[in-house]
Amino acid sequence: AQSVTQLDSHVSVSEGTPVLLRCNYSSSYSPSLFWYVQHPNKGLQLLLKYTSAATLVKGINGFEAEFKKSETSFHLTKPSAHMSDAAEYFCVVRHTGGFKTIFGAGTRLFVKA
Amino acid sequence: NAGVTQTPKFQVLKTGQSMTLQCAQDMNHEYMSWYRQDPGMGLRLIHYSVGAGITDQGEVPNGYNVSRSTTEDFPLRLLSAAPSQTSVYFCASSPPRTGGETQYFGPGTRLLVL
Repeated sequence: AQSVTQLDSHVSVSEGTPVLLRCNYSSSYSPSLFWYVQHPNKGLQLLLKYTSAATLVKGINGFEAEFKKSETSFHLTKPSAHMSDAAEYFCVVRHTGGFKTIFGAGTRLFVKA
Repeated sequence: NAGVTQTPKFQVLKTGQSMTLQCAQDMNHEYMSWYRQDPGMGLRLIHYSVGAGITDQGEVPNGYNVSRSTTEDFPLRLLSAAPSQTSVYFCASSPPRTGGETQYFGPGTRLLVL
């Protein structure tokens, strides 16, 4: 069985400071892992994905995530937050070769000026 | 390309009414799927399709029907609406030969069932 746990429902940072959004997963198979972003009243946009290549994955808008199998984690980071980063972020797991996707509950990121 | 389009944007139904949420994509994507988004629960997969004529159930299929007669369209039907189906519904599609990995989402349909 697969599951995803986003450890924080809300994260608040100041503009220009680092961002860390935490995600732990559980999967019986080799997982594919994704981070999506959703701005208010919008659809979801793919930020980055891990599919068993490099463990450090770079995405759009300066975000990156590191796959750590020993810790079953896939945390999302960004060195310096921008006001436009304020949104909800979803960690997603799929087992490689499958189709059903499991979404985490989401983390809402607030960025203070 | 218009991408993934969904209609309507908003809908109010009374309990017991039926309706169809429309989803279309013009990118020749094989995979299409429907999700519902509820506060604090992320997105949950309702139904998905891996190609025209092929559909399968996701995590929360009860109360919903789908069909895929063409590559472009993937409508979601609510047979007899219930207040528990109040939600935001997202349609997504994935390019061919990617195993459905990268999904492109529509803007969503906000449904209220009274």
